[in-house]
Amino acid sequence: EVQLVQSGAEVKKPGESLKISCKGSGYRFTSSWIGWVRQMPGKGLEWMGIIYPGDSDTRYSPSFQGQVTISADKSISTAYLQWSSLKASDTAMYYCARVTSLRSGNERGWFDPWGQGTLVTVSS
Amino acid sequence: EIVLTQSPGTLSLSPGERATLSCRASQSVPSSYLAWYQQKPGQAPRLLIYGPSSRATGIPDRFSGSGSGTDFTLTISRLEPEDFAVYYCQQYGSSPWTFGQGTKVEVK
Repeated sequence: EVQLVQSGAEVKKPGESLKISCKGSGYRFTSSWIGWVRQMPGKGLEWMGIIYPGDSDTRYSPSFQGQVTISADKSISTAYLQWSSLKASDTAMYYCARVTSLRSGNERGWFDPWGQGTLVTVSS
Repeated sequence: EIVLTQSPGTLSLSPGERATLSCRASQSVPSSYLAWYQQKPGQAPRLLIYGPSSRATGIPDRFSGSGSGTDFTLTISRLEPEDFAVYYCQQYGSSPWTFGQGTKVEVK
């Protein structure tokens, strides 16, 4: 079974750094893109970016470029989303999801499956 | 960037009724690369439809997707109690991939 398991909820102060994780299992981790999606409280889904763990090729939404860093460690089948200096406006649920497509390794694909989400709360 | 606009914002229907959800793109979606997701409160989104008319594994056949170019539709033929949720469309044909703002299907 393909599964993505995310790290637990975090409570941080503005200005602090943070790295959350997403561990894949049940498939060849290096052969599929993994994406990150933000959902602010009571709001819709926002596509943040994707990474190909095989070579760490990364794509960012212009809205998130420079605000976050997406990375991956293929040796432990884990993708990461990190902030160097959190803001209150980063408070949200963050989901990782595998990019699935008809051709293995194609970045143009739909998200399936999704991780369970990591709630990040930033408050002074 | 392709902007996806979903309508209506909220759909109030009764179990057994037919639901028709619209997703309109600001420009043509390459290869009609569009997907639909369902999200229930407190849960992660779940894939329903991709490509834009292929059902994901395990999705009941009362869910169907159609459309091409800039206009796409998700149809739920007969609403079951478990179908009341928020539905999102997403295009993955042109970077950056984008989501619509969602349609909430609620019990009338």
